[in-house]
Amino acid sequence: NAGVTQTPKFQVLKTGQSMTLQCAQDMNHNSMYWYRQDPGMGLRLIYYSASEGTTDKGEVPNGYNVSRLNKREFSLRLESAAPSQTSVYFCASGGRAEPGNTIYFGEGSWLTVV
Amino acid sequence: EDQVTQSPEALRLQEGESSSLNCSYTVSGLRGLFWYRQDPGKGPEFLFTLYSAGEEKEKERLKATLTKKESFLHITAPKPEDSATYLCAVRERNEKLTFGTGTRLTIIP
Repeated sequence: NAGVTQTPKFQVLKTGQSMTLQCAQDMNHNSMYWYRQDPGMGLRLIYYSASEGTTDKGEVPNGYNVSRLNKREFSLRLESAAPSQTSVYFCASGGRAEPGNTIYFGEGSWLTVV
Repeated sequence: EDQVTQSPEALRLQEGESSSLNCSYTVSGLRGLFWYRQDPGKGPEFLFTLYSAGEEKEKERLKATLTKKESFLHITAPKPEDSATYLCAVRERNEKLTFGTGTRLTIIP
């Protein structure tokens, strides 16, 4: 998957701990996204950022915060992790919503909360 | 409420048996319908973007079409390596990208 890098790839947290998932893209994209993927649920949008300096809630924002640090980076923070946040998290980035532009995904971050 | 619905949830085909996957959507201000392929343990891999009704795109054994209410992903003479989950997503004017739950495709040799 071209140009979207997520860290860490795997993480185990205890309930109540905090952590930040990092995402960076090198394609000069305006839009960035965070999703979670659970068995049978597909990809559910947590937050997205249509441009540097803006963020908007998706379907499942509760328990998460985001920061669009600059045009390249979009981080996802869990302030007090809960077992229900055990999931695979994907970051994506894309050019403006017009013909010729597409959206690319990172390889995912596997998070387990015990 | 904006929705993306994919059917069937799962599909098993014999190698060489052609079929179609469906993605129906209700969204205001469509700014692209996307198809992705996802293999187990991997991120979604981009296949196609369609922007207007009547548009068609092809790649190897796959062909995607779009109407005002739905999109089809046609698979012609599939091979076992085409086995994967196929995801559909719609992008709105405000850049929001919403996915369906996917179709899990299995091609039996």
